[in-house]
Amino acid sequence: DTGVSQDPRHKITKRGQNVTFRCDPISEHNRLYWYRQTLGQGPEFLTYFQNEAQLEKSRLLSDRFSAERPKGSFSTLEIQRTEQGDSAMYLCASSYPSGQGAYEQYFGPGTRLTVT
Amino acid sequence: AQKVTQAQTEISVVEKEDVTLDCVYETRDTTYYLFWYKQPPSGELVFLIRRNSFDEQNEISGRYSWNFQKSTSSFNFTITASQVVDSAVYFCALSEAQMDSSYKLIFGSGTRLLVRP
Repeated sequence: DTGVSQDPRHKITKRGQNVTFRCDPISEHNRLYWYRQTLGQGPEFLTYFQNEAQLEKSRLLSDRFSAERPKGSFSTLEIQRTEQGDSAMYLCASSYPSGQGAYEQYFGPGTRLTVT
Repeated sequence: AQKVTQAQTEISVVEKEDVTLDCVYETRDTTYYLFWYKQPPSGELVFLIRRNSFDEQNEISGRYSWNFQKSTSSFNFTITASQVVDSAVYFCALSEAQMDSSYKLIFGSGTRLLVRP
């Protein structure tokens, strides 16, 4: 059972450029989450997918951010016109369908974004 | 609003000491879930435990134990006979539990544990 994978692991970009990150969840997990973690803080929720449907978005997800999960498998997170404040670790997590409630989320290794 | 507070920013202990990491949560929900995750220096969050709000039984897993007390809204984590490999940042998290919920996690700010040889 392979874990959650994310690509790339590191991304350095100049302010104003667009970046896209990819997440491949555990295959039988239909729930997928994106979080952002800045230095010294806990992860903060960005958005949630159940299969291909994006069902919840945080207010942190400004209009420069967009996420997709076109076939209910992998997901992409795009940031347009990056700003220095976007520098953070972007984490993806997946979990089983909730038949009886919340299940533990399994996290990928993250993509560390540095905006210069 | 939901909130998780981990007041201990950093704890340093000598190997073989016992250490307790505190977690206090706030929620208006009567049903919720609590979690602990470990983030070692490699950066990947590792799931440790999930607890349902209606189950206040304490749990022990090897050197790890968890004490859940609804009366004080606390979910503390104890490592017995700590080891250098326990050095990491530990996060407590809370999840809502309504039907059709996303079950998104609300994390505390974490406690950095340093176990010295």
